[in-house]
Amino acid sequence: QVQLQESGPGLVKPSETLSLTCTVSGGSVSSGSYYWSWIRQSPGKGLEWIAFIYSSGSTNFNPSLKSRVTTSIDTSKSQFSLKLSAVSAADTAVYYCARAYSNALDMWGQGTMVTVSS
Amino acid sequence: QSVLTQAPSASGTPGQRVTISCSGSSSNIGNNPVNWYHQLPGTAPKLLIYTNNQRPSGVPDRFSGSKSGTSASLAISGLRSDDEADYFCAAWDDRLDIVVFGGGTKLTVL
Repeated sequence: QVQLQESGPGLVKPSETLSLTCTVSGGSVSSGSYYWSWIRQSPGKGLEWIAFIYSSGSTNFNPSLKSRVTTSIDTSKSQFSLKLSAVSAADTAVYYCARAYSNALDMWGQGTMVTVSS
Repeated sequence: QSVLTQAPSASGTPGQRVTISCSGSSSNIGNNPVNWYHQLPGTAPKLLIYTNNQRPSGVPDRFSGSKSGTSASLAISGLRSDDEADYFCAAWDDRLDIVVFGGGTKLTVL
């Protein structure tokens, strides 16, 4: 059974960079049919899709966040990561990593709360 | 303001059938498959229906999905108390180039 687990700081200062890692267990991030995603959920904005990451390294970002988002994938560690730069209070949210198949998010991590505050 | 429109709440009694609707446009639901998720309080969303009407393994056949034009629906039959959750629809939007979600419908089992 594939499981995903987010990790990273729960508190980030305004203007700094949010960094999260998703570790995939019970499966490989190199699985041909699947790709990977970051999503966030805040009370004010509901669910917001951030990015798709493919094992090839190619990506697809939400245009509203694209200028601040960087992602990477490490097949040797079965991990993929998210960096969001120049954060503000508006980036406070629960961040989820998920596995994607034909744009359906079929497996999700438990989520990690990230608060942007000084 | 979510791109996909859902009623904020719905309710039913145990055993009843309830339907949750999701309204979009030609650039999302009208041209792409719809997926449904449910989310229990304090937990991550879970895929309930994919590609309009397909159930992942383990999802009971009490849950069914349908799509017509630019709208989609999730039906839950034989309502149970543990069906109380938030339900979200989602689809790819060709114009915005993103996955768009509905604002969610909170289902209460009376």
